[in-house]
Amino acid sequence: GQSLEQPSEVTAVEGAIVQINCTYQTSGFYGLSWYQQHDGGAPTFLSYNGLDGLEETGRFSSFLSRSDSYGYLLLQELQMKDSASYFCAVRDKQAGTALIFGKGTTLSVSS
Amino acid sequence: DAGVIQSPRHEVTEMGQEVTLRCKPISGHDYLFWYRQTMMRGLELLIYFNNNVPIDDSGMPEDRFSAKMPNASFSTLKIQPSEPRDSAVYFCASRGDEQYFGPGTRLTVT
Repeated sequence: GQSLEQPSEVTAVEGAIVQINCTYQTSGFYGLSWYQQHDGGAPTFLSYNGLDGLEETGRFSSFLSRSDSYGYLLLQELQMKDSASYFCAVRDKQAGTALIFGKGTTLSVSS
Repeated sequence: DAGVIQSPRHEVTEMGQEVTLRCKPISGHDYLFWYRQTMMRGLELLIYFNNNVPIDDSGMPEDRFSAKMPNASFSTLKIQPSEPRDSAVYFCASRGDEQYFGPGTRLTVT
């Protein structure tokens, strides 16, 4: 089966940089995705890494190391509105094309 | 595009009643997924379809749960009979290049 590990909670202040790590175990790994979910809302797509390296989208970046079964989401210049849950998700051969999600990391940004 | 559309947004029902959740995927997306989210279990994949055909329903918790996709623009998830432990937020998602979620249906079974 698949398993994903990410921290349950992270706290930071406005303007800071935060890194949310994700380690995974899968069979036949395809790629790692990141989603953001605000309270009461739906998960929204942030980024996808299919290959090793860094993907940058504005204040958010995501990194993948396939050899280490590890990735992270980097959030820069934190804003209050970034307070949300962040999920890593994998797509692998066993699950077909479906995304399997981690338990999520709750990020709290304070002023 | 309007995104993935789900109805109803909220459903409160009594134990033993039948519940039907509805989903309209993004036009042109050929994959459709049903997830359930609870505090205890997180986001769980229940079932997914490719070109209207169910591919993997191993996440469906019990025979009380069933899902159909009669055409490319509509899917249902049915719970019959419902139980209090089915209370959760049910998300539908569809996928083209990436996977996009609908707003969810918050189900409360009393």
